[in-house]
Amino acid sequence: GQSLEQPSEVTAVEGAIVQINCTYQTSGFYGLSWYQQHDGGAPTFLSYNALDGLEETGRFSSFLSRSDSYGYLLLQELQMKDSASYFCASRQANAGKSTFGDGTTLTVKP
Amino acid sequence: EAQVTQNPRYLITVTGKKLTVTCSQNMNHEYMSWYRQDPGLGLRQIYYSMNVEVTDKGDVPEGYKVSRKEKRNFPLILESPSPNQTSLYFCASSLMGQGGTEAFFGQGTRLTVV
Repeated sequence: GQSLEQPSEVTAVEGAIVQINCTYQTSGFYGLSWYQQHDGGAPTFLSYNALDGLEETGRFSSFLSRSDSYGYLLLQELQMKDSASYFCASRQANAGKSTFGDGTTLTVKP
Repeated sequence: EAQVTQNPRYLITVTGKKLTVTCSQNMNHEYMSWYRQDPGLGLRQIYYSMNVEVTDKGDVPEGYKVSRKEKRNFPLILESPSPNQTSLYFCASSLMGQGGTEAFFGQGTRLTVV
């Protein structure tokens, strides 16, 4: 099976940098995905790391270390609109099943 | 526009009355899935399908059925809904070859069973 753990809440101020960590245990692993979800809305795909290292997309970056079973999402130059829930997720290799972490609620304060 | 469309967006029903939530995607994706989301529990996969006529159970399949007769459609069926199936439901899709999780989600269906 698979399990992904992430902190339940993170708070930061506007303009700052915040890192949301995700550790995983899985019997098979393709890579790690990240999503953003605003209250009541649909999850929005942010990034996917298939290989170790850092992937950068604008203000958001995502990192994966397979040897440590660990990844993180880095949000820079925080804006109020970044207040949302963020989920890490992975798909089980060869099985097709996807598993999501329970989500991290990010609150950005002025 | 690439999208996943779910209907209805909101539904209130009574215990035991069969219902179907439809899901359709226009991107020719092989992989489609259904999730439920409850407060504090994140998204839990109900069923997934890796192609037409191929479906399999996710983590919480009890009380649900699915079918995949066409590539674009993946309806979720509740034969006898119960109050513990009150939840927010999402349909999602992706290409199979990418290895990552679903890239597109529908807008959600908020179901209340009384």
